[in-house]
Amino acid sequence: GESVGLHLPTLSVQEGDNSIINCAYSNSASDYFIWYKQESGKGPQFIIDIRSNMDKRQGQRVTVLLNKTVKHLSLQIAATQPGDSAVYFCAENIGGGGNKLTFGTGTQLKVEL
Amino acid sequence: GAVVSQHPSWVICKSGTSVKIECRSLDFQATTMFWYRQFPKQSLMLMATSNEGSKATYEQGVEKDKFLINHASLTLSTLTVTSAHPEDSSFYICSARDRAASGAQYFGPGTRLLVL
Repeated sequence: GESVGLHLPTLSVQEGDNSIINCAYSNSASDYFIWYKQESGKGPQFIIDIRSNMDKRQGQRVTVLLNKTVKHLSLQIAATQPGDSAVYFCAENIGGGGNKLTFGTGTQLKVEL
Repeated sequence: GAVVSQHPSWVICKSGTSVKIECRSLDFQATTMFWYRQFPKQSLMLMATSNEGSKATYEQGVEKDKFLINHASLTLSTLTVTSAHPEDSSFYICSARDRAASGAQYFGPGTRLLVL
C-alpha cells in the first residue's frame, strides 16, 4: 500500500534552462538502462535508452550519461519546456533488455515560467 | 510506432467482483508483456511477466490466483483481478516488448481501478 509521508524528490528549473536528473542504480550486472517520463494519470513514456557498452547517448534535446564505475545514470534535458514537467524514472535491466525492468523511485521535474 | 493500449482506462466496481483489464500492442508483436501496479507518488512495481502461449511468471508476494494473467496472442494480454477488495484499488499499467527490437518496453496508458 501507500507509504505515509512518501514524496518524490523534486527538481525545479526555469523554462529554457537545462535540467539534469540523476539516478543511482543498484545492480552492477545491469547492462541496459532506460529513462521514462510519466505525466499525471498516464503510463510511462519511453525517452531514451543506453547499453552498458556506451557512456553517452543523445536524442532530441535529451542526453543520457552512464557511469558504470559508480553505478550512476543521468538524464540531461536541454532548453527545458513546460511540457517537460512530469515524473522521470530510470529503469535497469539485466540480460540485454529482454527481461524485467527494475525502476528507480522517480524524480518530479517542475518547470517554472 | 510502438503503441500499447489498455482497456478500460478506468473502472469502479463493488467489492467481491472481478475486473478484467486488456493490454494490446497495436502496431507490433509482443512475445512478452509485463503488468505493473503503481500507488500515488510511488514507482512502478512489477507484478508479473506474461509470455505468449505459456504461464505467467509472478513476482514474490503477488498472488497468482488473485491476479489472473492470460497472454493468448502476440498482441493481447489480460489481467483479471478476482474478488476485488478496496486494497486492490490502484493504477495498473502494462508494457510490451517488441519482439522485432531489443530492449525497450513500451507502456500502455494505465487503468485506474477503484473498488468500493
